[in-house]
Parts: sequence; structure tokens; C-alpha cells
Amino acid sequence: QVQLVQSGAEVKKPGASVKVSCKASGYTHSSYVIYWVRQAPGQGLEWMGWINAGNGNTKYSQKFQGRVTITRDTSASTVYMDLSSLRSEDTAVYYCASGRITMVRGLMSWFDPWGQGTLVTVSS
Amino acid sequence: DIQLTQSPSSLSASVGDRVNMTCQASQDINNYLNWYQQKPGKAPKLLIYDASNLQTGVPSRFSGSGSGTDFTVTISSLQPEDIATYYCQQYDALPLSFGGGTKLEIK
Repeated sequence: QVQLVQSGAEVKKPGASVKVSCKASGYTHSSYVIYWVRQAPGQGLEWMGWINAGNGNTKYSQKFQGRVTITRDTSASTVYMDLSSLRSEDTAVYYCASGRITMVRGLMSWFDPWGQGTLVTVSS
Repeated sequence: DIQLTQSPSSLSASVGDRVNMTCQASQDINNYLNWYQQKPGKAPKLLIYDASNLQTGVPSRFSGSGSGTDFTVTISSLQPEDIATYYCQQYDALPLSFGGGTKLEIK
């Protein structure tokens, strides 16, 4: 059974960066994708980007392009999401989620399972 | 970008009621439409994928239907544990996107 476990809550000052980790267990292969999704307090869900766990290729939402970097450490089965130039509007719960890679849809898929979420608070 | 509009934004129903929640896409999304349930303080959980396929382990009172631009998730008999916010999500085109959610409450 696939499980995603994320790192703990963070408090950052405006202008700083944050790095959130997502450790995957239960996979017997590397043909999967890890997505990052965020949810501001009381708001909906917003896709930020993805990484192909096998080859490390990434894709970012245009909204976060230039501020977000997603990387992986295959030896640790861990994916990282780095968000820079933080502002108060980045205060949110950040989730990783997994998806399957297919010939038909590539890295676009449903999100299952999800990590437990990491609260990032940006405050001076 | 594909916009997903969910309605209603909130809904109050009684235990045992049949509940319908809808999601309308701004263009044809070829049934690449998924539904999630999110309970307060928890991560979303996949309920239905590709418009009508029930995820393993999800109670059979949940069902999904629709095609093209209009989709519905139905709870055949509302249970107290179904209280949550429900989101639709499309993966027909980038950027991947979610609807604004329907918050379901018990009357």
C-alpha cells in the first residue's frame, strides 16, 4: 500500500524560502508522479506542479513558475518542494499526492494517495 | 485554462436523503474528471475517477455520472460520516485544476 509522509509545519518570514519533503513508501517501481497542491486557509485546492519520480522531469503551474522547484532523492524515495520569495499569501497547507503515468495521459492523472499535509505560515 | 464550477457551494440535507452535487467545465474534458472528499483538517480522498469509476474502498452509495462538460456526484442515502467538502478535478489539460468545492452539511 502506497503511503506519503510529509515533513512538519514551518514558520517563515516574508522573503524567505521553505522546503517541504514528501517520503513515499510502498512503491515497487519508479513509474509514478508526485504532485504538489496547496490550500490556503478556508480556500480550495490549487495545483502547483509535478515531478516524474523515475526520471526527475518536472512541470510547474505558470502561477508558480520561477518560485517553485520540485526535486527528488531516489535513494531516499523522497520528493522536495521548494518555494522561494515567500509572502503572506503563501500561508497554506501544502500537500503532496501521487498519480500514475500512462501512455494515454502521460503524467496527468487523478491524485491518490495524498500526504497528510504541511502547514506553512508566512509571517513577520 | 479550464475552469470548473461547482454547485451549489453549500448544501444542507438530512440523513437518508439523496444528494446531488454538480461540476461544470468551461470546455469538453473528455470525462477526465475526478471527485474528492475532504473532511475538516484532513487531506482530500479520491472518491471517483474518470467521471464514473468508484475508487476501491469507497462506499457504493457514492456514484458519479456525466460527460463532456457536465458532471454529477450522487450520494444515494446520506450518512453522518459524509459531512465534508467535495471537490471535482480535471486532468484533460494543463494546468490541472479543481472546482471551488461544495460544502455538505447535515440538516
